[in-house]
Amino acid sequence: AQSVTQLGSHVSVSEGALVLLRCNYSSSVPPYLFWYVQYPNQGLQLLLKYTTGATLVKGINGFEAEFKKSETSFHLTKPSAHMSDAAEYFCAVRNDYKLSFGAGTTVTVRA
Amino acid sequence: NAGVTQTPKFQVLKTGQSMTLQCAQDMNHEYMSWYRQDPGMGLRLIHYSVGAGITDQGEVPNGYNVSRSTTEDFPLRLLSAAPSQTSVYFCASSARGGGNEKLFFGSGTQLSVL
Repeated sequence: AQSVTQLGSHVSVSEGALVLLRCNYSSSVPPYLFWYVQYPNQGLQLLLKYTTGATLVKGINGFEAEFKKSETSFHLTKPSAHMSDAAEYFCAVRNDYKLSFGAGTTVTVRA
Repeated sequence: NAGVTQTPKFQVLKTGQSMTLQCAQDMNHEYMSWYRQDPGMGLRLIHYSVGAGITDQGEVPNGYNVSRSTTEDFPLRLLSAAPSQTSVYFCASSARGGGNEKLFFGSGTQLSVL
């Protein structure tokens, strides 16, 4: 069985500030981990993914995430928030063909 | 260059009515899936398919049927709609591989059951 827990359903940051979204997973096998972003009234888009190899993964729009096996975490960060980063973010773990999503974290960016 | 296309975008049903949500992809993807999105619960897998003629249940399959007669299409059928099925539904597809492939999502169908 596998599952994902996202800590914090809402995060508010100032423009230019660090964005940190927390994700912890449980998986009985080495996981494939993903971060997706959903803009209003749209489907989900892939930000980045971890499969094997380097534990620091860089994605689109300046986001990156670090896989920490000892902490079972895959937190998403961006050094400097932009107004266009306002969206809902989902962490997900995939085993075989079943992708399990976290509940999501809504990010608002203050001017 | 359409990707994953879902129709309709919006639908209102009365309790007990049936309907089919359509999903089509033009990327020759073997894997297709249906999710529902509810506030505070993320996306939950309803059904998925790893190829034509093959379907399997996800996390919340009750009340929904699927079939996969072609690689391109993966319709989701609600046999007797219930208010608990009010949700936003997303279809997604990917190439078949080791499980780390990127999922491509449709733009969603917003369904209300009265």
